[in-house]
Amino acid sequence: RKEVEQDPGPFNVPEGATVAFNCTYSNSASQSFFWYRQDCRKEPKLLMSVYSSGNEDGRFTAQLNRASQYISLLIRDSKLSDSATYLCVSQNTDKLIFGTGTRLQVFP
Amino acid sequence: NAGVMQNPRHLVRRRGQEARLRCSPMKGHSHVYWYRQLPEEGLKFMVYLQKENIIDESGMPKERFSAEFPKEGPSILRIQQVVRGDSAAYFCASSPAVAGSGNTIYFGEGSWLTVV
Repeated sequence: RKEVEQDPGPFNVPEGATVAFNCTYSNSASQSFFWYRQDCRKEPKLLMSVYSSGNEDGRFTAQLNRASQYISLLIRDSKLSDSATYLCVSQNTDKLIFGTGTRLQVFP
Repeated sequence: NAGVMQNPRHLVRRRGQEARLRCSPMKGHSHVYWYRQLPEEGLKFMVYLQKENIIDESGMPKERFSAEFPKEGPSILRIQQVVRGDSAAYFCASSPAVAGSGNTIYFGEGSWLTVV
């Protein structure tokens, strides 16, 4: 079983839609969690950290549920520029563990 | 751009040759990480180094792969006797201290290795 699991998608949504991604992790000792964004043939870039209390950054909201070992990312009012692969990431001691990513395609 | 610098960006090697990938961390960063991304897969941790020390190499294949981060100069990921399965994107990242302890990790643009 992979340590971080995500639905690979793709999610095809129209501009303006709200889309939610989910992720589960298996290592209960994981300490921190993040969402990264990766464009095709580019490096991953940090989108936001994820906290149990939930956190919001503009159109993006992330949530962590430690009891069920579940992480979510909500994107409101999708833009064409949001098209990318979204990587769910857990941190365990000195390393980041990446999910395989969920692909989002926003169409006009 | 004072970000994480990787070179070469693209490298083609024949089976059996050696590949050397270089990474210069961001200024002031003493922690370097190497990740590999196979086609259509997620990033996989390979190795974590500090200057002159390998801290965690639990993700490194047992044979043909080695990494170093000398006192002077960039970190090097070396792959000997490459095989087609080594074709992947290799990302280097750096942080000012150990990743996750409130320290953001920054990725380079990657080195794409193609083995023919």
